[in-house]
Amino acid sequence: NAGVTQTPKFRILKIGQSMTLQCTQDMNHNYMYWYRQDPGMGLKLIYYSVGAGITDKGEVPNGYNVSRSTTEDFPLRLELAAPSQTSVYFCASSPQGPASYEQYFGPGTRLTVT
Amino acid sequence: GQQLNQSPQSMFIQEGEDVSMNCTSSSIFNTWLWYKQDPGEGPVLLIALYKAGELTSNGRLTAQFGITRKDSFLNISASIPSDVGIYFCAGQLDFGNEKLTFGTGTRLTIIP
Repeated sequence: NAGVTQTPKFRILKIGQSMTLQCTQDMNHNYMYWYRQDPGMGLKLIYYSVGAGITDKGEVPNGYNVSRSTTEDFPLRLELAAPSQTSVYFCASSPQGPASYEQYFGPGTRLTVT
Repeated sequence: GQQLNQSPQSMFIQEGEDVSMNCTSSSIFNTWLWYKQDPGEGPVLLIALYKAGELTSNGRLTAQFGITRKDSFLNISASIPSDVGIYFCAGQLDFGNEKLTFGTGTRLTIIP
C-alpha cells in the first residue's frame, strides 16, 4: 500500500502566488488532516475532515482552504502566499472507530515563500 | 490552545545506552501517542496508549500512560544508530474529537 502520498515534495512560491498541495490516501480512512511544522516546532493543525463533504478548521486555518470531494483526496489551497507560510506541510489520515486517533502521515511538502 | 511539554528537548547519548523522555500537560488526556520523525520524513506512529496506567511495548520501545492522565513516558532500551530522530508525543483531549495536540519533540542524537 502507498499509504498517504503528497505532492509536490518541494515548492518555492513568490509572495502573492497561489498553489494547491495534494494529498491522497489509499487506506479508505474517513478522517484526514493537514498540519504545518515550523523549524524546531511540533505540528499545528490547519484543517481536518471527518468524511467526504465535511471539513473544519484547526488551530491555524488563516490563509488556507480545503475541500474533500472524495474519501481519498484532501487538497490544501494556499491563496496569496505569504512568507509566514514557509513551512513543511504534512497530510495525515486515520480510520473511523477505536483506532481513530492513530494518524498516519505522508512524507510532507516543503514550501518556501519568498 | 493546549500545550504538551516534552523533555528533554534534546539528548546526546552513546550507542547502547537507554533513553527516557516524557511529556506532560496541565490537562487530562484520554489517549497518548508517540511518534518518531526521521529527517525529511513524516512522523511514524510508534505506540498508542488508551488507558491510564497502561504500559505498552514495541520492540525496544516502552511507553506508559501516566496514572494522572496528564503525562506519558517513552523509554528506549539499548539504543542503536537508527533510533536517531525526533520523538513527538501527542494527546487526544476530548472523546469523539479526533484532533491531536502534539508536543514540540525530543531530538535524539547518538554520539559515535
